[in-house]
Amino acid sequence: GQQVMQIPQYQHVQEGEDFTTYCNSSTTLSNIQWYKQRPGGHPVFLIQLVKSGEVKKQKRLTFQFGEAKKNSSLHITATQTTDVGTYFCAGPMEYGNKLVFGAGTILRVKS
Amino acid sequence: DGGITQSPKYLFRKEGQNVTLSCEQNLNHDAMYWYRQDPGQGLRLIYYSQIVNDFQKGDIAEGYSVSREKKESFPLTVTSAQKNPTAFYLCASSYSWTEAFFGQGTRLTVV
Repeated sequence: GQQVMQIPQYQHVQEGEDFTTYCNSSTTLSNIQWYKQRPGGHPVFLIQLVKSGEVKKQKRLTFQFGEAKKNSSLHITATQTTDVGTYFCAGPMEYGNKLVFGAGTILRVKS
Repeated sequence: DGGITQSPKYLFRKEGQNVTLSCEQNLNHDAMYWYRQDPGQGLRLIYYSQIVNDFQKGDIAEGYSVSREKKESFPLTVTSAQKNPTAFYLCASSYSWTEAFFGQGTRLTVV
């Protein structure tokens, strides 16, 4: 079936180091969305990418959508302890009727 | 104040008992979703609905049931057929395949 795969599953970095999580879809996506879930909380929407090759930035976060619209990445520059949480990508599947999430990447930041 | 509300926050279920989790939104969203999250895991889709009186099974629908009698409401019943119901349940809503808003979640425990 249609899937969204995300790697790595877990990453532990030293504060100030960079972090990247990657997302791959089995099918072409009309858009890719990124969410952050803080420990004990619920997922919160970060951004949506729509165009092939699109790059968007939010302060230290850089989001990219691949040319084929099947892969995406989230890069955090100089991580801070406030970046701790799980980062999910999500894409609409089955003609846009359902939103499927990747397994998420758990980020831990050591100060 | 617009948003999506889940209740209760914590729920305890006895073996063989059915329980219903509430999800209400006043965002005028057409699409609503139920996800299950196990510790350290991603979001798995249980059921989703695009319009009133219509809903589809997600990836793990067995042992669960839903209804969508009103646009604002999408309750989830965890039946006794669900053998391992202990998890964090998240309800979300969106305008079709765009940004999803999540409720605070319900933590269900079997006692």
